[in-house]
Amino acid sequence: EDQVTQSPEALRLQEGESSSLNCSYTVSGLRGLFWYRQDPGKGPEFLFTLYSAGEEKEKERLKATLTKKESFLHITAPKPEDSATYLCAVTNYGNNRLAFGKGNQVVVIP
Amino acid sequence: DTGVSQDPRHKITKRGQNVTFRCDPISEHNRLYWYRQTLGQGPEFLTYFQNEAQLEKSRLLSDRFSAERPKGSFSTLEIQRTEQGDSAMYLCASSLENTGELFFGEGSRLTVL
Repeated sequence: EDQVTQSPEALRLQEGESSSLNCSYTVSGLRGLFWYRQDPGKGPEFLFTLYSAGEEKEKERLKATLTKKESFLHITAPKPEDSATYLCAVTNYGNNRLAFGKGNQVVVIP
Repeated sequence: DTGVSQDPRHKITKRGQNVTFRCDPISEHNRLYWYRQTLGQGPEFLTYFQNEAQLEKSRLLSDRFSAERPKGSFSTLEIQRTEQGDSAMYLCASSLENTGELFFGEGSRLTVL
């Protein structure tokens, strides 16, 4: 069964203080690794898809990277509006479901 | 059509009652998913449809849960004889085929008293 472990569970950052979130995964035949953002009381919002080791994607202050065992979401010079829970998920070639981790809860303090 | 819509957004019910949630996906999306999320956890897969066919079901989906997608458009998720452990946010998502880019709705929060 696919497993996704995210760390740290919670993170408090000062505005402008860059940091990284980790997503470790175990999957039989990775088809894709996904990052989503979730605000309180709302559904997850898609951010990135990564397919192979070495791939990187960027969007504003966020950059996602992928290795054979883990992915990182780097937040550069975060702003308070980056406060959210960031969810990592994987899918394999055997099914069409996303297996999510518990998320990284990020709070950016002004 | 601006996104996935779910109804109702909140439902409070007594244990033993039946509840039904509705999901209207993005119109051109042929895949529709149901997930369940509890506090502090990531979403857990329940089931998914491709058009009107239900192609995968999780072990989490007990026989009290049933999902339908008549005509491959909107979907309903019914929970019969609700239990307190069913309290959760029920998320619907849709996508085009062969993409993991799921578009989620705002969710339907169920509280079972």
